[in-house]
Amino acid sequence: DAGVIQSPRHEVTEMGQEVTLRCKPISGHNSLFWYRQTMMRGLELLIYFNNNVPIDDSGMPEDRFSAKMPNASFSTLKIQPSEPRDSAVYFCASSFRRTVMTTGELFFGEGSRLTVL
Amino acid sequence: SQELEQSPQSLIVQEGKNLTINCTSSKTLYGLYWYKQKYGEGLIFLMMLQKGGEEKSHEKITAKLDEKKQQSSLHITASQPSHAGIYLCGALGPGNQFYFGTGTSLTVIP
Repeated sequence: DAGVIQSPRHEVTEMGQEVTLRCKPISGHNSLFWYRQTMMRGLELLIYFNNNVPIDDSGMPEDRFSAKMPNASFSTLKIQPSEPRDSAVYFCASSFRRTVMTTGELFFGEGSRLTVL
Repeated sequence: SQELEQSPQSLIVQEGKNLTINCTSSKTLYGLYWYKQKYGEGLIFLMMLQKGGEEKSHEKITAKLDEKKQQSSLHITASQPSHAGIYLCGALGPGNQFYFGTGTSLTVIP
């Protein structure tokens, strides 16, 4: 079975451009998470979805960031306009949430490394 | 919000030595997960602990969740260069978010 698939793996763009990161979760998983990782701040939760519905987006840094999950097999994280401080590795992860208080292990994609010049 | 503090922040050990990484939560843990990340790659699940006092092992890595369920430790016996990477603990927060600790960077010198 394929794991979590993210694209692109690397993105270099100029300040002000729109960036769209994509994620395909593992089939059958009902929770999806977007994280951002930097040396300074570590791994930060941006937003997570349960059954395609955004549950908590309090980690989204600014209105420039938006995320969607139109169906169970696809999610996007969009940054518009992008800024140099958005440079980071963005990870998508999925899991199967069994109960309200527990979740199965998170499976991570390989990440999308974003560089904004 | 729930916070997970890891210590030490970084660790350099000689191959063959034992080591321990700690993860302390500001709130009661309902499930504690350990992950490993190799530099530049995604996170790999190691193990999950749910019950106070629970202990699990995988090869030379052992993790424990203390009785009061607010701290976990990860112990590596006879470390090898393949153990090098970043170790992260993770947990479900009160709003069902999944948070990660601050991370511990491990270097194993051959």
